[in-house]
Amino acid sequence: NAGVTQTPKFQVLKTGQSMTLQCAQDMNHNSMYWYRQDPGMGLRLIYYSASEGTTDKGEVPNGYNVSRLNKREFSLRLESAAPSQTSVYFCASTRVNEKLFFGSGTQLSVL
Amino acid sequence: AQSVTQPDIHITVSEGASLELRCNYSYGATPYLFWYVQSPGQGLQLLLKYFSGDTLVQGIKGFEAEFKRSQSSFNLRKPSVHWSDAAEYFCAVGTGYQKVTFGIGTKLQVIP
Repeated sequence: NAGVTQTPKFQVLKTGQSMTLQCAQDMNHNSMYWYRQDPGMGLRLIYYSASEGTTDKGEVPNGYNVSRLNKREFSLRLESAAPSQTSVYFCASTRVNEKLFFGSGTQLSVL
Repeated sequence: AQSVTQPDIHITVSEGASLELRCNYSYGATPYLFWYVQSPGQGLQLLLKYFSGDTLVQGIKGFEAEFKRSQSSFNLRKPSVHWSDAAEYFCAVGTGYQKVTFGIGTKLQVIP
């Protein structure tokens, strides 16, 4: 049982480049999330998808887009990366009245 | 909009001493609440959660938390801290719309 799988684990981008972070879960969860973690700022919600077919902005959505491709997959896209987007990104999923299950994280550096 | 406040960014306690980490939330309806712990370089591990029912919640590793609606709080406690408890602790609040937001975290240092 893989749980929540994120790819890639590490990525270095130049300012202005684009990339997509992939996330897939095999637990039949309805809800999926993207967070970024920065020192001293905790985990900040970028976007979430409460159920297949819906997406909503979180606390820090600017500069990001998401796609809930199907029930399993939820991708995060950076259209034009900026140094301020250097962070560790976590995907998570859950069902109602359950804890969040997290992926192992993506360490992104934007130069 | 919901929010979570963890007023203590850094706490130092002696091994064997009691611990209380504070968490206050803002949300108009009844939230569901979590405490997670993260060791350096590791992912987040759930300590405990509150959805409904008994307001005193028991978790793993000897932790407990109490939901106090009147104070909008969900403080985490442990009667006797062990050196292995040194980590960063995050409080989180969720809503019926499945939006889950986290506090900025409290770093716990344990001194021998």
